[in-house]
Amino acid sequence: DAGVIQSPRHEVTEMGQEVTLRCKPISGHDYLFWYRQTMMRGLELLIYFNNNVPIDDSGMPEDRFSAKMPNASFSTLKIQPSEPRDSAVYFCASSFDGSRYEQYFGPGTRLTVT
Amino acid sequence: GENVEQHPSTLSVQEGDSAVIKCTYSDSASNYFPWYKQELGKGPQLIIDIRSNVGEKKDQRIAVTLNKTAKHFSLHITETQPEDSAVYFCAAERGNSGNTPLVFGKGTRLSVIA
Repeated sequence: DAGVIQSPRHEVTEMGQEVTLRCKPISGHDYLFWYRQTMMRGLELLIYFNNNVPIDDSGMPEDRFSAKMPNASFSTLKIQPSEPRDSAVYFCASSFDGSRYEQYFGPGTRLTVT
Repeated sequence: GENVEQHPSTLSVQEGDSAVIKCTYSDSASNYFPWYKQELGKGPQLIIDIRSNVGEKKDQRIAVTLNKTAKHFSLHITETQPEDSAVYFCAAERGNSGNTPLVFGKGTRLSVIA
């Protein structure tokens, strides 16, 4: 298996622009997680899905952030409008119900908002 | 909710020495405690985990201990090697509803000096 796939790997954008991050989970996994990693706050859970349904989005910082999972093999995290404080590495992870907590992380998307 | 504290934030050891990283958690109902290793430019990767029905688990040079009474668990790496240099994260299951994800510590940057 190719593992969790994220794109793009790096994104540089100007403040106010819309940013869309993409994730393809491991086939057969029914949980998908979006995390944000910064030096100051560490690894923060933003939102997670089970069978394409959002279960907990309490970690989404504000209304500028939204996430969707239209099918079992694809998810997006969108920031609109982006701000410099959104600069971070965003990780997607997936797991399957039989071992829900053994999460497999993607390589991450490094976002820089100038 | 669950809170996970991790210490130290940085750790330097000589090659061949042992390294110990400690974590405490707040939710007594937590029963799953994984450790993740993150190498530069990559996503975190699960290296070992422990469940609350055991006190210790070993996998070659890596071991994890759990003290449920004191609500702390530790990662032990023996005979450290330069390739052990990475950031290590502990995590704990949050809550007892059966539908909650992991809460991560802030991470420990381990440097193994050759």
